[in-house]
Amino acid sequence: AQSVTQLDSQVPVFEEAPVELRCNYSSSVSVYLFWYVQYPNQGLQLLLKYLSGSTLVKGINGFEAEFNKSQTSFHLRKPSVHISDTAEYFCAVSDRVAQEKLTFGTGTRLTIIP
Amino acid sequence: EAQVTQNPRYLITVTGKKLTVTCSQNMNHEYMSWYRQDPGLGLRQIYYSMNVEVTDKGDVPEGYKVSRKEKRNFPLILESPSPNQTSLYFCASSLSAGWGYTFGSGTRLTVV
Repeated sequence: AQSVTQLDSQVPVFEEAPVELRCNYSSSVSVYLFWYVQYPNQGLQLLLKYLSGSTLVKGINGFEAEFNKSQTSFHLRKPSVHISDTAEYFCAVSDRVAQEKLTFGTGTRLTIIP
Repeated sequence: EAQVTQNPRYLITVTGKKLTVTCSQNMNHEYMSWYRQDPGLGLRQIYYSMNVEVTDKGDVPEGYKVSRKEKRNFPLILESPSPNQTSLYFCASSLSAGWGYTFGSGTRLTVV
């Protein structure tokens, strides 16, 4: 069975400051990793994903994430946040065998302070 | 426009009254899935389908049914809704899980 832990339920950050949202996963097999964003009153939108290859993955809206196999982590980063980044962010994992089973973390609410 | 369409967006119903939430995708995706979102719990998978007539339970299937008679549609059925099924429900589809799921806009269900 796989699981995802998002260590911070809420992260307040000043506008134009950098941010890191933490994600750790547990799985007995090789995995695919995802970050999704949910803006208020909307569905989830894929931000970026790691399938294989380079451990640094770039996504939309200036976000990037780094896959660290030894630490089983997939932290999300942005060097300078904007008010429009205010949203909830979800880390998710699926294993490479049962690919249709996507397990989400509990989410991190990012609040940008003007 | 490529999308996953759920209906209704909002629904208030009474305990025990059968209901169906519809989900349709226009991307010819093989994989479809239903999730519920609850505060502090994130999204939990209810059921998923890998193709027509192929469905399987997710993490929280109790009290729900699904069917996949056509590739584009994946309705969620609550035969006898209870208040603990009050939640925000999302349908999602994918060509394969490695591509990531495309999510619908959600259905907010309240069972009183």
